[in-house]
Amino acid sequence: QQQVKQSPQSLIVQKGGISIINCAYENTAFDYFPWYQQFPGKGPALLIAIRPDVSEKKEGRFTISFNKSAKQFSLHIMDSQPGDSATYFCAAGSRLTFGEGTQLTVNP
Amino acid sequence: DSGVTQTPKHLITATGQRVTLRCSPRSGDLSVYWYQQSLDQGLQFLIQYYNGEERAKGNILERFSAQQFPDLHSELNLSSLELGDSALYFCASSVNPGTEAFFGQGTRLTVV
Repeated sequence: QQQVKQSPQSLIVQKGGISIINCAYENTAFDYFPWYQQFPGKGPALLIAIRPDVSEKKEGRFTISFNKSAKQFSLHIMDSQPGDSATYFCAAGSRLTFGEGTQLTVNP
Repeated sequence: DSGVTQTPKHLITATGQRVTLRCSPRSGDLSVYWYQQSLDQGLQFLIQYYNGEERAKGNILERFSAQQFPDLHSELNLSSLELGDSALYFCASSVNPGTEAFFGQGTRLTVV
């Protein structure tokens, strides 16, 4: 009930491409869904978050799509840049249950 | 800078010892979370406090304990340390549970 499944485990995209990371959750009581970016040796940094009353939220190059009926949400990074290369984590719920993480590499 | 301060940044200690990790949340934040991140692993939730009270507990070992003080800072105590406890320990804070949470830079614990 508390699990959050994230995929893919790793992702390689070309500069300018779209990076897509997916998460699925089980607990229908979850009402908060943030995405975090983490560079090696650093703390996770909040990127963008969504609540289940909307299906999409966009902030700059980052977009969250949310499908309440499927219990899934995804992060889209448009125009991916080498500086976006990092590990991305989805999370859910008020105590922040995290997915396993996705290692994104953006090639120049 | 997230505004969440964790001390110390690095800690090296021997097996069997006890250490205390400290977290100062962002000004105004009432909720504090603790996570453990082992090498190349995800973020494992340990425990959450809200305004001094324990709110949620994850898979926190009995050798580990935490508390949040009246000034809202929090401490994570790790005792009878084992080699497997070597990890990054992160603290995060938010105004309320389920709102924007910001992470500190972590404490890297090495048990030798």
